[in-house]
Parts: sequence; C-alpha cells; structure tokens
Amino acid sequence: EAGVAQSPRYKIIEKRQSVAFWCNPISGHATLYWYQQILGQGPKLLIQFQNNGVVDDSQLPKDRFSAERLKGVDSTLKIQPAKLEDSAVYLCASSLGQRTGLYEQYFGPGTRLTVT
Amino acid sequence: ELKVEQNPLFLSMQEGKNYTIYCNYSTTSDRLYWYRQDPGKSLESLFVLLSNGAVKQEGRLMASLDTKARLSTLHITAAVHDLSATYFCAVDQGAQKLVFGQGTRLTINP
Repeated sequence: EAGVAQSPRYKIIEKRQSVAFWCNPISGHATLYWYQQILGQGPKLLIQFQNNGVVDDSQLPKDRFSAERLKGVDSTLKIQPAKLEDSAVYLCASSLGQRTGLYEQYFGPGTRLTVT
Repeated sequence: ELKVEQNPLFLSMQEGKNYTIYCNYSTTSDRLYWYRQDPGKSLESLFVLLSNGAVKQEGRLMASLDTKARLSTLHITAAVHDLSATYFCAVDQGAQKLVFGQGTRLTINP
C-alpha cells in the first residue's frame, strides 16, 4: 500500500514570496491533516479535512495560509506572503476517519520550507 | 486547552540499559499515540493506546496508558543503538485532533 505522498520535499523562498505544497493521502483515507513542525518541536495541527470539508482550521493563520482539498482526495497548502517564522517542515497525514473507528494517522515525508 | 508534556526532553544512555520516557497531559483523553522520528525523516507510528490500563509491546519498547493519572510511559529495555531517535507522544483532544508533546531526543551510546 502506497504511503502519503508530498511534494516538493524541499523549498527555499524569500520572505513575502508565495509557496504551495501538495499532498496525496493514502487511498481511501477520508481524513487529511496538515501539520507545521518547527525545528526542535512537536508537530502542530494547522487544518483537518474530512473528505472535502474543513473540520478544524482554528490554528491556521488565515491571513496568509490557505488550504483546500478538492474532490476529497489531494490537498494543497499555500502560504502567501511567507514570513521568516514560517520556516518549518510541513507534514501531511491521513487516516481512515471516524466512520471506521480507526484513528491512526499516517504521515508523509514532509516538505522542508526555508524562508530567507 | 490541552497541554502535553514529555520528560526528559533529552536522554543519553548506554546500550543495554533500561529507561522510561514520561508523557503527562492536562485534560481527559482516552486515546494516546507514540511516534518515532529519525533525523530528517517523517513520523513513524509506534503504538496506539485506546483505553485505561492499555499496555502494548513491540521488541524492546513497551508503552502504557493510565487515563486517571493522565500519564503514559514508554519503557525501553536493554537499549540498542538503533533505537536512537526522537520520540513523541500525542494525545487526542477529540475528533482525532492530536496535540503533540515536545519530543524526547534519545541517544544510545555503544
């Protein structure tokens, strides 16, 4: 079974530029998450989708971050404009979801963003 | 707001020794996860603990959950170098929303 795919793996941009990350979850997984992991810290949830609807985006900085999950499969996370403090690894995860009672989240390899 | 605290944050130990990592959390939850992260890599799921008193073991690692004490432990038996990594606990605060601890960076020396 293929895992969670993310691209690009690395991105370097200047502050005030925009950037987009892509995630393809495990086939059949209804729930998709985006996390931000700053160096030396645990991942912090940014947004959670159930199919193509947003379940929780309370920690997403909506003035600069946006995310969508069209057709309930792939997802993109965008930052516009980027700030220095956005330098982090952005992790995508997916799970089968509440309906199945199986909550384990599987993580992708992440995108390491450096803002200069 | 749910707070998750791990200790120690850094742990250097010798091969063959036993040690325990602790994960405390501030509000009620009956679902807790342990993950492993190698440098530059993503998170690998180790254990899912779903109820009070749950205990799971895989090789030299054993995890337990005490929901009344709001405490989980990850015990390492006879450590080997391959277990060097950062270990995270994560607590489900409801609707599958995980709050992670700060992580414990474990270094096992020959």
